[in-house]
Amino acid sequence: DAMVIQNPRYQVTQFGKPVTLSCSQTLNHNVMYWYQQKSSQAPKLLFHYYDKDFNNEADTPDNFQSRRPNTSFCFLDIRSPGLGDAAMYLCATSRGSSGRGTDTQYFGPGTRLTVL
Amino acid sequence: AQSVTQLDSHVSVSEGTPVLLRCNYSSSYSPSLFWYVQHPNKGLQLLLKYTSAATLVKGINGFEAEFKKSETSFHLTKPSAHMSDAAEYFCVVSDLNQAGTALIFGKGTTLSVSS
Repeated sequence: DAMVIQNPRYQVTQFGKPVTLSCSQTLNHNVMYWYQQKSSQAPKLLFHYYDKDFNNEADTPDNFQSRRPNTSFCFLDIRSPGLGDAAMYLCATSRGSSGRGTDTQYFGPGTRLTVL
Repeated sequence: AQSVTQLDSHVSVSEGTPVLLRCNYSSSYSPSLFWYVQHPNKGLQLLLKYTSAATLVKGINGFEAEFKKSETSFHLTKPSAHMSDAAEYFCVVSDLNQAGTALIFGKGTTLSVSS
């Protein structure tokens, strides 16, 4: 089945130790997104790629970076995780070829990050 | 600018009774509206989507939502709740001003279902 896959599902890191989260998709979608979701809150968009074009949200901290080496994969790098970065990180994809605003986003299962 | 308000942070129902989760939106465009469901420690699953076609939208698992422009509402309903419906539900509007398709989320409604 075509899907959005995130690895690992659970990640534990130490304060200040860099960590990378992975997302892959078999949907062949043009757009890939990273969201941060803290406990009992709605997901918050960090950034997205439209093909190779990177779009950063204005309030995303510099501590968060992303890479998209090809259509299928996208990575979230947290350079120096702090305790406040503990959250669920959700990857999503969308086709990007629909009319603006009608694109449906498909989410992966998420990676829960714990910072010790 | 687009925004969405979920009117109830928590809804409790008994199994077999109807479900109503309320959502109001604000948009200067004709919006696309979505309902997503999130079970504990899982990703978001699309329940249904409105994109200016039929105002009554049928989704998965027996859910449906009606777009009412005059009331700027997009409430989610289900005739008979099941225990497996217990989850967090997000009403979402698309932000047409973004280069991609940015989603604007409501704060979520927690649905509890008792036996």
